[in-house]
Amino acid sequence: AQKITQTQPGMFVQEKEAVTLDCTYDTSDPSYGLFWYKQPSSGEMIFLIYQGSYDQQNATEGRYSLNFQKARKSANLVISASQLGDSAMYFCAMRELGTYKYIFGTGTRLKVLA
Amino acid sequence: SAVISQKPSRDICQRGTSLTIQCQVDSQVTMMFWYRQQPGQSLTLIATANQGSEATYESGFVIDKFPISRPNLTFSTLTVSNMSPEDSSIYLCSVGTGGTSNAKNIQYFGAGTRLSVL
Repeated sequence: AQKITQTQPGMFVQEKEAVTLDCTYDTSDPSYGLFWYKQPSSGEMIFLIYQGSYDQQNATEGRYSLNFQKARKSANLVISASQLGDSAMYFCAMRELGTYKYIFGTGTRLKVLA
Repeated sequence: SAVISQKPSRDICQRGTSLTIQCQVDSQVTMMFWYRQQPGQSLTLIATANQGSEATYESGFVIDKFPISRPNLTFSTLTVSNMSPEDSSIYLCSVGTGGTSNAKNIQYFGAGTRLSVL
């Protein structure tokens, strides 16, 4: 069965520093997508970055990059040059090809310190 | 991407009443999804709303408690019926881009409805 694990319930990072949020997943399907979302205190879910299981390169979107290690089944989010506005909950999610259903992890609360 | 308007953004309701949440998308989409996020928890899928057919509910969610309408390709509603304090959650609608054969099927979310039941 599909499973997403985020082992860091909370993280602190100094402003302008980089931070890595961990995500491991479990699936027996060779075709899947991995996603990261940001949820500020307002409650909306903001899509950040996507990685396909067959993508050869790690995904990047601005200050966000995804460290995809397929053999280890990990998809860690790296935020470079952290900003105060990055303080939020971050959720990792997975979807297997052939379904619409997302499986979400439990989230990591990131606090950026001035 | 899709722009999703969800309302109300928040509400405080009395036990035993019902609340209908609306979700409007700026483009036609095949699939719309409704999620519940209980306090401090992750997102749980309630149901998938297909236009022109009955919604498909996940295990633990039933139509009598969470009736869903999907009258057209840009609009859906979720009703939380006969509410109790345990229904206090954030309810989010989302839409998917692409079909199930497209690995890059990104779900975009509305801003959520923060519901408190007294």
